[in-house]
Amino acid sequence: NAGVTQTPKFQVLKTGQSMTLQCAQDMNHNSMYWYRQDPGMGLRLIYYSASEGTTDKGEVPNGYNVSRLNKREFSLRLESAAPSQTSVYFCASSEVGGWDSPLHFGNGTRLTVT
Amino acid sequence: RKEVEQDPGPFNVPEGATVAFNCTYSNSASQSFFWYRQDCRKEPKLLMSVYSSGNEDGRFTAQLNRASQYISLLIRDSKLSDSATYLCVVSLIRGGKLIFGQGTELSVKP
Repeated sequence: NAGVTQTPKFQVLKTGQSMTLQCAQDMNHNSMYWYRQDPGMGLRLIYYSASEGTTDKGEVPNGYNVSRLNKREFSLRLESAAPSQTSVYFCASSEVGGWDSPLHFGNGTRLTVT
Repeated sequence: RKEVEQDPGPFNVPEGATVAFNCTYSNSASQSFFWYRQDCRKEPKLLMSVYSSGNEDGRFTAQLNRASQYISLLIRDSKLSDSATYLCVVSLIRGGKLIFGQGTELSVKP
């Protein structure tokens, strides 16, 4: 039972480069999320998808785009990476909306932008 | 004022001690409350939900005080393996998004 799988685990980018973070869940969950975690800031929501076919902005969406490819997969794209996007990124899923059911997180992607 | 605030610690306690964390939230309309645990360089994992009547899971007790807008987590008989960061999580009615506190770091020493 893999749960939530994120790739890659680590990535170093140069300013201006682009990349896509991949996330897949095998729990048949409806809702999926992308968070970033920075020291002293807690986890902040970037984008979420309440169900297949829908996406919405979270607290810090600028500089990111998302795609809910199907029920299982939710990807996060950085079109032009900036040093301020250096962070740890977590994908998560929940059965219903996250306000009623717990979040299941992936292992995280540690991204450094130089 | 932050929507969810926690004392970042660190709390350094000896094995066997009882330790309590508080978390305050600013929106009185908040509906759901959780405690998550995060080990160093790992993903957060749900520790327990917090119910209005309070709830207990082994050595862990969570309580909600709506009047004062805070939730608490009590850990009895601390173990070395309890060392982690404990995240307070609150959901707001509008949008249903979860708001995370910055976490409280606990270090249990032998």
